[in-house]
Amino acid sequence: KQEVTQIPAALSVPEGENLVLNCSFTDSAIYNLQWFRQDPGKGLTSLLLIQSSQREQTSGRLNASLDKSSGRSTLYIAASQPGDSATYLCAVITQGGSEKLVFGKGMKLTVNP
Amino acid sequence: EPEVTQTPSHQVTQMGQEVILRCVPISNHLYFYWYRQILGQKVEFLVSFYNNEISEKSEIFDDQFSVERPDGSNFTLKIRSTKLEDSAMYFCASSVGRRKFFGPGTRLTVL
Repeated sequence: KQEVTQIPAALSVPEGENLVLNCSFTDSAIYNLQWFRQDPGKGLTSLLLIQSSQREQTSGRLNASLDKSSGRSTLYIAASQPGDSATYLCAVITQGGSEKLVFGKGMKLTVNP
Repeated sequence: EPEVTQTPSHQVTQMGQEVILRCVPISNHLYFYWYRQILGQKVEFLVSFYNNEISEKSEIFDDQFSVERPDGSNFTLKIRSTKLEDSAMYFCASSVGRRKFFGPGTRLTVL
């Protein structure tokens, strides 16, 4: 059974720092991995999707990398801003015919001005 | 950019009552999903729907739950007899490839 873990559960940093958010998954046979942002009481905003054949994806100040064989992904946030404060979730689709996303519990990021 | 929409944003109901949560997926998407998030816990998969039938469901999705696509645009989740433990945020999602787009959610509170 696929398990997704995000450590640490929370992170508080001063504005301007470059950040690394970690995600690990137990079954490396995945189709893709997706990073989401969730603001308090709100829905999930898709940030980046990495296919299993890809090593990384970039969007603006965000860069996500994937090491499928070791079951890890990282989300890099460059030059963090207070507006980046949110919970970041990673989720995977495992091979085998299922289309369901399996989520980590998320990492709550606070960027202090 | 097209979005998944959900109504209502917040639903309060009494235990034992039926609720219907509504979603309008992105128009050219083919797969539809419901997920839920109990406060402080992970987002959990409930059910996926493709070609007018359930393609996959989790162990959470028991006989109290049902889904329907009554017309070309709406996708609904019905809970027949709500329990206290059904209180959660319910997210609808849709996809055409494997990238999923989520709606803003309906917060269900069962009293």
